[in-house]
Amino acid sequence: GAVVSQHPSWVICKSGTSVKIECRSLDFQATTMFWYRQFPKQSLMLMATSNEGSKATYEQGVEKDKFLINHASLTLSTLTVTSAHPEDSSFYICSASTVAGWTGELFFGEGSRLTVL
Amino acid sequence: GENVEQHPSTLSVQEGDSAVIKCTYSDSASNYFPWYKQELGKGPQLIIDIRSNVGEKKDQRIAVTLNKTAKHFSLHITETQPEDSAVYFCAASNILTGGGNKLTFGTGTQLKVEL
Repeated sequence: GAVVSQHPSWVICKSGTSVKIECRSLDFQATTMFWYRQFPKQSLMLMATSNEGSKATYEQGVEKDKFLINHASLTLSTLTVTSAHPEDSSFYICSASTVAGWTGELFFGEGSRLTVL
Repeated sequence: GENVEQHPSTLSVQEGDSAVIKCTYSDSASNYFPWYKQELGKGPQLIIDIRSNVGEKKDQRIAVTLNKTAKHFSLHITETQPEDSAVYFCAASNILTGGGNKLTFGTGTQLKVEL
């Protein structure tokens, strides 16, 4: 199957700093990428839908100024957690839909664990 | 919006036994139902999916059934092995024409296969 890569896989930062997480589709082009957040032993909660070349669509309750999403190319979307606080500590996962031959299948990255001290 | 419920939250079976996980959904417009396996510290991996025009799909030891009338779908794993131990999530979505697959996930089932 198609490969989605996330980087970094884990990051520790101080409270008040900003952290950027990258999501790349390695062997396919993705018009749409999704960002999820997952707390320990809980389900994946959709944060936002990222479309190449346009502004992201955020789910209700997700602060767009807090979680900046950029989808500048068909293979890269980034999530920046601005002015991070301990409550932002979580597992962030991206997924991507292919452009050509799209079958509905979503390919997920390996996730990025953020710990804010 | 869509709401997906999943049961049980934990499931323990003996190696070689079968495991069944059930999900219900609320939005009759949903037409795509994938199942994901998530190992600790990793992203979800698709193990099987089914579309609303099909009632059952099988892939080796894994099968999924869909009852559109009742709005529920189930994952069946036969001849379970220790490596099947993981968290399993069901999901539902309405595949939009032209792309975009906004999934709503169930709450997850921790499956433990004991020797």
